[in-house]
Amino acid sequence: AQSVTQLDSHVSVSEGTPVLLRCNYSSSYSPSLFWYVQHPNKGLQLLLKYTSAATLVKGINGFEAEFKKSETSFHLTKPSAHMSDAAEYFCVVTFQAGTALIFGKGTTLSVSS
Amino acid sequence: DGGITQSPKYLFRKEGQNVTLSCEQNLNHDAMYWYRQDPGQGLRLIYYSQIVNDFQKGDIAEGYSVSREKKESFPLTVTSAQKNPTAFYLCASSIARGANNEQFFGPGTRLTVL
Repeated sequence: AQSVTQLDSHVSVSEGTPVLLRCNYSSSYSPSLFWYVQHPNKGLQLLLKYTSAATLVKGINGFEAEFKKSETSFHLTKPSAHMSDAAEYFCVVTFQAGTALIFGKGTTLSVSS
Repeated sequence: DGGITQSPKYLFRKEGQNVTLSCEQNLNHDAMYWYRQDPGQGLRLIYYSQIVNDFQKGDIAEGYSVSREKKESFPLTVTSAQKNPTAFYLCASSIARGANNEQFFGPGTRLTVL
């Protein structure tokens, strides 16, 4: 069965320190993977996506993610957190078989000054 | 500006009433989706439509209905049969329903049942 797991429901960092949001997936097929960000009471905005090209994907606002097939992971990172990064982040998986989008349960990122 | 609009932003409903949430897109996308978001549960798919006059149930379709009479519009009706309708509802669209296609999201409608 296909699934996606976000390993942390809440991550807290200080401004200027690195961010790591973890995501693992399980699938029998080659996945397409996305990270979306949601600010309070807003819709979702795409940060980046992996679709079987380069394994290191760069997104908006300085975020990047690396697809590691051997670890079935797609962790999201940023070298230096900014206050405006505080939001909820969703790891999302789709598969070549064309099944529905599968969302992780989300990770809330808090950034303190 | 191209995008997806949802209205209203906030909606209150009495128990036993049906209510319809609007979703419009001017991106010329074929596929449209409705999701429900509850705290700590991520997004769950209610219905999706790949083309005009066609739609399919998602994971939690019970108590909801949709129509797709026009390419740009995909309204969602929350019926009185939905036992726990209070939630944040998100509409999305994509070029086509496929594994690589990014979905674009509207700003959402927060429905509260009183």
